[in-house]
Amino acid sequence: DIQVTQSPSSLSASVGDRVTITCRASQSISSYLNWYQQKPGKAPKVLIYAASSLQSGVPSRFSGSGSGTDFTLTINSLQPEDFATYYCQQSYTTPITFGPGTKVDIK
Amino acid sequence: EVQLVQSGAEVKKPGESLKISCKASGYSFTNYWIGWVRQMPGKRLEWMGIIYPGDSDTRYSPSFQGQVTISADKSISTAYLQWSSLKASDTAMYFCARGQGPSRYCSSTSCYTLDFWGQGTLVTVSS
Repeated sequence: DIQVTQSPSSLSASVGDRVTITCRASQSISSYLNWYQQKPGKAPKVLIYAASSLQSGVPSRFSGSGSGTDFTLTINSLQPEDFATYYCQQSYTTPITFGPGTKVDIK
Repeated sequence: EVQLVQSGAEVKKPGESLKISCKASGYSFTNYWIGWVRQMPGKRLEWMGIIYPGDSDTRYSPSFQGQVTISADKSISTAYLQWSSLKASDTAMYFCARGQGPSRYCSSTSCYTLDFWGQGTLVTVSS
């Protein structure tokens, strides 16, 4: 199975901050990497697919980059509704695997 | 509007069987893959498997093969996840989710990028 790791596991930030979350795959997955946001008690929501494509309806302050094994999710100007847990997911091969999550909370 | 509405929370005893459902609306049910994802308390998401309701082609994660059965009834636009004998370790939230692209071909986009999700079904297994 392809292992997916994320860093940091959690971070504290303020409204208006720029936040960067990193995801690393255990082998090359080209650009087959998605990012999801999950709020407590809710289902995940896809933000970025294919490493850098913004899902329809998602604010443009979210962006993704990377290819191969290293990927980044950036949130520009963090908003109150962005405090959540973020998961990356490799969609390169089965079994599909998710990262352990990065919890973004209020400083 | 695309919606996936899952059945309600369940409390079961070890050894019991269970079938939970995911009713789709707002799109052509037979043309999109639907997957199931497990989330144990405080843990990461785990992909369990996926089904193409058009012809019931089903793929499982090796971790869940033989442990659960995924099925679909296209006449009522509903996907299912079932267990024949529950264990305490099956206690978790279970989500259904739709593959992003309408395609019979299972690709990174159509199968494994999940764009609409159900609200989740909490399954608690305890003696």
